[in-house]
Amino acid sequence: AQSVTQLDSQVPVFEEAPVELRCNYSSSVSVYLFWYVQYPNQGLQLLLKYLSGSTLVKGINGFEAEFNKSQTSFHLRKPSVHISDTAEYFCAVSDYAGKSTFGDGTTLTVKP
Amino acid sequence: DGGITQSPKYLFRKEGQNVTLSCEQNLNHDAMYWYRQDPGQGLRLIYYSQIVNDFQKGDIAEGYSVSREKKESFPLTVTSAQKNPTAFYLCASSISSSGGYNEQFFGPGTRLTVL
Repeated sequence: AQSVTQLDSQVPVFEEAPVELRCNYSSSVSVYLFWYVQYPNQGLQLLLKYLSGSTLVKGINGFEAEFNKSQTSFHLRKPSVHISDTAEYFCAVSDYAGKSTFGDGTTLTVKP
Repeated sequence: DGGITQSPKYLFRKEGQNVTLSCEQNLNHDAMYWYRQDPGQGLRLIYYSQIVNDFQKGDIAEGYSVSREKKESFPLTVTSAQKNPTAFYLCASSISSSGGYNEQFFGPGTRLTVL
């Protein structure tokens, strides 16, 4: 069985400040890791994914994430956020069978 | 434009009625999924299909049914047996579910409210 824990349900931050959204996972097998973003009343869209190789992954909109196998974490970061980054962010893991498990989400609110 | 469409965007149902949510994709993806999203609970998998004419139950399949007669279509029926159907329903697809490394593409969602 696999699980995902997003450690913060809400993260408020001021515009142009850095942000980190934390994600820990557990699995008995190797997994693939994903971050998705959801704007209000819309579907999810992929920000970035880690499959293998370099542990630092760069995604769209200036986001990046670092895979840490020893700490089973995949935290999402952005050095300077904009008002338009206000959204809900989901961490997800997927196993070889293709079954995906999503975290409960982190609501990022960027304040002016 | 390739993508996933879901209709309707908003749906109201009286208790005791079945209702069908539409999901269509023109991405030529083999795998399709239905999720239910409730506030603060993330996404929970209802059903998924890896190929036409085949589908499997997810974590919360009770009270729901699906069909996959065509590659591009994966409708979800919410039956009267579903005790708490008010939620936001998301359909997704991926090139293939095998291997686990393909990201999912999501539709815009259908918000179902039971009156």
